[in-house]
Amino acid sequence: QVQLQESGPGLVKPSETLSLTCNVSGASINLYYWHWVRQPPGKGLEWIGFLSDSGNTNYSPSLKGRVTISGDTSKNQISLKLRSVTAADTAVYYCARDTTLGYALDVWGQGTTVTVSS
Amino acid sequence: DIQMTQSPSTLSAYVGDRVTITCRATQSISNWLAWYQQKPGKAPKLLIYKASSLESGVPSRFSGSGYGTEFTLTISSLQPDDFATYYCQQYNSDSPYTFGQGTNLEIK
Repeated sequence: QVQLQESGPGLVKPSETLSLTCNVSGASINLYYWHWVRQPPGKGLEWIGFLSDSGNTNYSPSLKGRVTISGDTSKNQISLKLRSVTAADTAVYYCARDTTLGYALDVWGQGTTVTVSS
Repeated sequence: DIQMTQSPSTLSAYVGDRVTITCRATQSISNWLAWYQQKPGKAPKLLIYKASSLESGVPSRFSGSGYGTEFTLTISSLQPDDFATYYCQQYNSDSPYTFGQGTNLEIK
C-alpha cells in the first residue's frame, strides 16, 4: 500500500523559504511522477509542480521562479522549496502520486498546513 | 495557460437524485481529464481518470464523459456519503495540470 506523509514547519515568516518533505512508502520515487498541490483556506486546489521519474521538473507558471521540487532516492522522499513567501502562500500543502494510467493523481498525503506570518 | 471552468459552483440535491457537473477547458485536452471528490479536512480522492475511466474501488454510480473541451461527471443516485466538493483537473503538455474551481454538492 502506497502512503505519503508530508512534514515541515507549520509557520514560516514572510520573505523566507518554505521547505516541505514528502516521505513515500510502498513505491519507489524512481518509478512515478510526484506532485505538490496546495489549497489556501476555504479555496480550491492549486497545482504547484511535479518531479518526474527521470528527475525532470515542471512548475506552475504562476509559481515558476520561486519553486523547486527535488527527490532523494536514498530516503525515497520528495521535497518542495518555495522562496520569498507571502501571506498568499498560506495553505494546506499536499504531495501526490501521478497514476501511470492517465495524468491523474491517485494517491495523496494527508496534507500539512503552512501559515506565513511574522 | 489552459483554464478549467466548472458549473455549477454550488449544487443542492436530494438523496437519490441524479446530478451532473460540467467542466469546460479553454482549449482541447483530448481525454486527459480527471475528477476528484474532497470532503472537509481531507485530501482529494480520485474518482475518474481519462475522462471516463472509473478509479478502482469507486462506486459505479459515478461516471464521466466528454472529449476535447467539455466534460461531465454524473452521479446516478446520490448517496449521503456523496455530499462533498468535486474538482476537475486537466493535463495538456503545453499547460500541465490545472484544476477547476470546484463544485460544492450540498444536501437539499
